[in-house]
Amino acid sequence: GQNIDQPTEMTATEGAIVQINCTYQTSGFNGLFWYQQHAGEAPTFLSYNVLDGLEEKGRFSSFLSRSKGYSYLLLKELQMKDSASYLCAVRDSNYQLIWGAGTKLIIKP
Amino acid sequence: TAGITQAPTSQILAAGRSMTLRCTQDMRHNAMYWYRQDLGLGLRLIHYSNTAGTTGKGEVPDGYSVSRANTDDFPLTLASAVPSQTSVYFCASSLATGSANEQFFGPGTRLTVL
Repeated sequence: GQNIDQPTEMTATEGAIVQINCTYQTSGFNGLFWYQQHAGEAPTFLSYNVLDGLEEKGRFSSFLSRSKGYSYLLLKELQMKDSASYLCAVRDSNYQLIWGAGTKLIIKP
Repeated sequence: TAGITQAPTSQILAAGRSMTLRCTQDMRHNAMYWYRQDLGLGLRLIHYSNTAGTTGKGEVPDGYSVSRANTDDFPLTLASAVPSQTSVYFCASSLATGSANEQFFGPGTRLTVL
């Protein structure tokens, strides 16, 4: 079966750095996405990785290792507005997204 | 630009009744999707459409039907609602299905079936 694993919840301090991990087992791989979802709102796109390595976009970076079936999202200089759920999704061999359950990130002052 | 709109925002529905959730996008995206999101679970794909005139079944299609008569609209119909269909429903679209084309999401419809 297909499976995406991420921690259920993480807590971090404002101004700090946090790394959210995602491991996956899917039928085929055609890219990995990270989305942010604030409570009661729709998911919004953060990053896309298809090749191994690090993609940096401002305070957010995403890393992929295809051989290990592993990705992480790195958030730097955390702000209170970063409190949200972070969703990992893998595009499988049918070009459909398989979603993890999301990691709820709590930022404390 | 409106992006993707969904209607209604929320609905309480009696079991056995039918309902259509509406979704419209103005980005001229080829692909559209319907997901449901339940607490503790990832988004699950109900149905999708890679282009106008075509539809496909996702992971959890039973009890739902869709149509794609044109590029902009992708309605989701529940023929006879059951309590297990209580969920938040998101419509999404993408320019195409491959490459770096991310999916854009509508604001969601919160459906309660009693």
